Amino acid sequence: GQNIDQPTEMTATEGAIVQINCTYQTSGFNGLFWYQQHAGEAPTFLSYNVLDGLEEKGRFSSFLSRSKGYSYLLLKELQMKDSASYLCAVRDGDYKLSFGAGTTVTVRA
Amino acid sequence: GAVVSQHPSRVICKSGTSVKIECRSLDFQATTMFWYRQFPKQSLMLMATSNEGSKATYEQGVEKDKFLINHASLTLSTLTVTSAHPEDSSFYICSARDLAGREAFFGQGTRLTVV
Repeated sequence: GQNIDQPTEMTATEGAIVQINCTYQTSGFNGLFWYQQHAGEAPTFLSYNVLDGLEEKGRFSSFLSRSKGYSYLLLKELQMKDSASYLCAVRDGDYKLSFGAGTTVTVRA
Repeated sequence: GAVVSQHPSRVICKSGTSVKIECRSLDFQATTMFWYRQFPKQSLMLMATSNEGSKATYEQGVEKDKFLINHASLTLSTLTVTSAHPEDSSFYICSARDLAGREAFFGQGTRLTVV
C-alpha cells in the first residue's frame, strides 16, 4: 500500500509563494502527480514527476526526490483563484493512483 | 489534455433505488478506467479498477455486488450503485488511462444524494 502525507492547511498572501510538501512510502513507484481541486469539482492535473528534479510550468513548479520519498509543489505569484485543495498522488506499478488527504490553500488579499 | 466526460453531474435518488453513472473518454481509447469516491473534506479513495472486456478489480472493503462496474468498450465505463442508501451519498469520480499509458484524466464527477 501507499502512505502519503501532506499538510492539512496553508495560508498565504496574494502575490506570495507557497510550498506544499508531500512525503510518501510506497510498495512501488511509477510517478508522482499534483492535482488542484476546487470545492465540489473534480481534480485537475497540474504536474507529473517520475525522475528526480524540478519541473517548472508557469507559476507552478514541482520537485521530486525518489531516494527521500519527497516532493513539493511550489506556487508562485499567488492569486485569489489559487485558493483550492492540492492533492499529492503516487502511481504504483499497476498505474493505480493513491492520493494524499490534500492541502487546503487559502490565499488572502 | 485528453477529455473524460462523466454523466450525470448531479443525481438525487430515493433510498432503495439504483443509479447508473457513465464515464466516457471522448478523444482517446481508455483501456483502464478508475472509479473513486470522495466524502466531504476527504481525499479520493479508489473503489475499483475497470479494464475493458474483463471484470473490474475492487479495492478492499468495496462491495462488488453493490457497486456494479461495466467496461464494455474502450470509451465507456459505467458504475451502478444498487439499492442505494443515504450513506452512499458522496462524490463519485472516474478517471481514464489511455493506450499509451498517459496519466489519468478525470471526469467532472457525480454528486449523488440518496434521500
